[in-house]
Amino acid sequence: AQTVTQSQPEMSVQEAETVTLSCTYDTSESDYYLFWYKQPPSRQMILVIRQEAYKQQNATENRFSVNFQKAAKSFSLKISDSQLGDAAMYFCAYLCTSGTYKYIFGTGTRLKVLA
Amino acid sequence: DAGITQSPRHKVTETGTPVTLRCHQTENHRYMYWYRQDPGHGLRLIHYSYGVKDTDKGEVSDGYSVSRSKTEDFLLTLESATSSQTSVYFCAISGREEGSPLHFGNGTRLTVT
Repeated sequence: AQTVTQSQPEMSVQEAETVTLSCTYDTSESDYYLFWYKQPPSRQMILVIRQEAYKQQNATENRFSVNFQKAAKSFSLKISDSQLGDAAMYFCAYLCTSGTYKYIFGTGTRLKVLA
Repeated sequence: DAGITQSPRHKVTETGTPVTLRCHQTENHRYMYWYRQDPGHGLRLIHYSYGVKDTDKGEVSDGYSVSRSKTEDFLLTLESATSSQTSVYFCAISGREEGSPLHFGNGTRLTVT
């Protein structure tokens, strides 16, 4: 079964600095999708970034970028120029579209941003 | 934003009572999901649906049942609520394109006393 592991329960970063959140996954599939979601205290789930496994280019969205290492099954999220509004829970998720169409989530990383 | 509504937003119930949570979408999307969120466990899939009357189990389906009689509605039922089912429940829908991200409802906080 596919699994997603986020090994950092909590991280801290100084405002304006850069932080990297790690995510690894286990799969035997070659075609799949990966996502990062942000959950602020409001409880709303917000898509941060999406990566297609067949694309070698790392996805970026403004201050958010990923380091996708397919062979290592690693999908880390880098947040540059951290802002107070970035403080939230961050979840990594995996989707394989062959067979069952299930999105599998990691346990999350709580990011604190220090002023 | 995807049109997805969960009800109720909050609910307190007693052990042993049945509880139904409702998810309603206006997007006409095929796939719908129920997750529960607990500290230290992230989001865990309870059940999902890939069409009207087509549902399948997730990793934590024991004690839960679902029904989807219309494309727009996906109901989650706790037949006899237990304290271990105290959680935040999220409904989500997936877009039409392959690999679309999930769009989530605002969640239901359920407390079983």
